[in-house]
Amino acid sequence: GAVVSQHPSWVICKSGTSVKIECRSLDFQATTMFWYRQFPKQSLMLMATSNEGSKATYEQGVEKDKFLINHASLTLSTLTVTSAHPEDSSFYICSAKAGTANIQYFGAGTRLSVL
Amino acid sequence: AQSVTQPDIHITVSEGASLELRCNYSYGATPYLFWYVQSPGQGLQLLLKYFSGDTLVQGIKGFEAEFKRSQSSFNLRKPSVHWSDAAEYFCAVGAKEYGNKLVFGAGTILRVKS
Repeated sequence: GAVVSQHPSWVICKSGTSVKIECRSLDFQATTMFWYRQFPKQSLMLMATSNEGSKATYEQGVEKDKFLINHASLTLSTLTVTSAHPEDSSFYICSAKAGTANIQYFGAGTRLSVL
Repeated sequence: AQSVTQPDIHITVSEGASLELRCNYSYGATPYLFWYVQSPGQGLQLLLKYFSGDTLVQGIKGFEAEFKRSQSSFNLRKPSVHWSDAAEYFCAVGAKEYGNKLVFGAGTILRVKS
């Protein structure tokens, strides 16, 4: 149980285009989902917290207009990187938790390469 | 500010040897503590967690960790390492007072030599 699926696992795009990443909880309802960014050889940095049916809460320094987050259902959250640039290239990981439980279950991550 | 320190960036152990990965935290609230493992290019898998109660917790794959409040530590141990344990290990801390958001350590890369 507690499986989180993230898609795509790898995406290459041209500079200036937008990319959407999906995060799905397959066997539980995720009231809260989190989006992280991980640079090579570094730890995970929280970008935003997404609660179903409400606006995401972004961490300081994260551009909300650049990283659009939608959490329209209890099993799906999406992260859209708008007008991507090479500096947005990174490994993006989502996680999900159910209700008041304090455990986050992680997706396998998406490697974004912007050319 | 909340912080998590994993002092060792890399650790190399021989297969069959014991392992201890260190984690220290600075937190202004009662923490929840986690250890996750990440294989290259993959997401994170939960190894074990501590919320309250018995300070020695058992996890998957033969791992255990001990919460020591006086030392603000939550070190991960395994008595006998297998080659498949080679990966990167992250300690993470959360707290209800901070919206249950996790703060991660920088990670420790474990190499296992045969």
